[in-house]
Order: sequence, then C-alpha cells, then structure tokens
Amino acid sequence: EVQLVESGGGLVQPGGSLRLSCAASGFTFSHYWMSWVRQAPGKGLEWVANIKQDGSEEYYVDSVKGRFTISRDNAKNSLYVQMNSLRAGDSAVYYCARVISAWYAYDYHYYMDVWGNGTAVTVSS
Amino acid sequence: EIVMTQSPATLSVSPGERVTLSCRASQSVNSDLAWYQQKPGQAPRLLIYGTSTRATAIPARFSGSGSGTEFTLTISGLQSEDFAIYYCQQYNNWPPYTFGQGTKLEI
Repeated sequence: EVQLVESGGGLVQPGGSLRLSCAASGFTFSHYWMSWVRQAPGKGLEWVANIKQDGSEEYYVDSVKGRFTISRDNAKNSLYVQMNSLRAGDSAVYYCARVISAWYAYDYHYYMDVWGNGTAVTVSS
Repeated sequence: EIVMTQSPATLSVSPGERVTLSCRASQSVNSDLAWYQQKPGQAPRLLIYGTSTRATAIPARFSGSGSGTEFTLTISGLQSEDFAIYYCQQYNNWPPYTFGQGTKLEI
C-alpha cells in the first residue's frame, strides 16, 4: 500500500524555523517527483514546492521562495521541507504528495495522486 | 499564473441526485485538469486526472469532461459519502500549480 506520513509540525514563533518530514512507503520513492501542498485553516489548497526524482530540480510558489527549501533522501525514502523566516501566513496543514509523470501529447504532465494526512504548522507568538 | 474558478461555492443536494460542478481556467490548460475530493479532517483524494480519467478505485458515478478552459465534474446518484469539498487543479502550466477555491456539497 502506498503511504505517505508527514511529521515535524508544531507551534513556532514568527521568524522561526521548522523542518517537516514525509516518510514514504509502498512504492519506489526514487522514481517519483514529490510535492508539498498546504492548506490554511478553513481555506483551499495551495501548492508549495516540487522536487525531481534525483533532487536536481526544485520549484516553489513565489510566496515561499528564498525561505523554504525542499529536499529528499532517496536512501531513506524521505521528503523534507526546511521552512525559515516563518510568518503567520504560513500557518497551515502541510501535505506531501506523490507526483505522477504522465507522457502524452509529446510531453510530460505532472499531477499529484497520493497524499499524506498532513502535519499542522502554526506560526504565532 | 493560471487562475482556476469553481462554481458554485456551495451546492445543496440530496442523496440520489445527479450533480454537476464547474471549473473554469483563466487560460487554456488543454486537458491537464484534475479533481480532488476532501472530507473534513482528511487529505485530498484524487478522483479524476487528464480531465476525464478516473483514478484507481474511484466509482463510475464520478465522471469528468471538458477541455481548454471549461471543465465539469459530474456525480451521478449521489451517495452519503460524497458530501465533501471538491477542488479542481490545473497542471498544464506550472509553477505554480493552481487549485480552484473548492465547491462544497452539502445536504
């Protein structure tokens, strides 16, 4: 069974840092792009970052560029996001998700299929 | 950035009914459109990708259609477990991936 389990969330003061982890099992982790997606309380979904299978490419939403760093350890089947200079607006449940790379129309198309249950981050003094 | 707009925000329906949810993109996303279902306290679940392909184990009562900028998710014969929030998402032009604001199905 494909499973993603996030951890590392909690309460942090504005300006502080936090590192979230996502443990993957049930599939060959190194074969997949991975994503972080967040959801503020009572709000919709917001994509945060993507990382390529070998970690050679990273992409971020503008609001976290320069503050968040996505990374992975394929030997440990784990995905991470290092979050620095945290703001109240970063408070959310953070989900990791597996990304499917589908080839059609002469190109790759990337969508998320399996999601973890999330870990909550609260940024408050 | 492609803006995704869903309508309506809330839909009041009854079990057994057929319901259609709409999603519009601010520019063409070709067929790179996914639908997710989210129940309270749970992670999103992939229902549809590529506009109309059901994900693994998704019942046939869920169907998707559309292309370009206009998309729909249809649920035929609503069941009690279908009451949830539904999000559309484009993956044609990223970063960033963008989601609609969601449509809540309520009784």
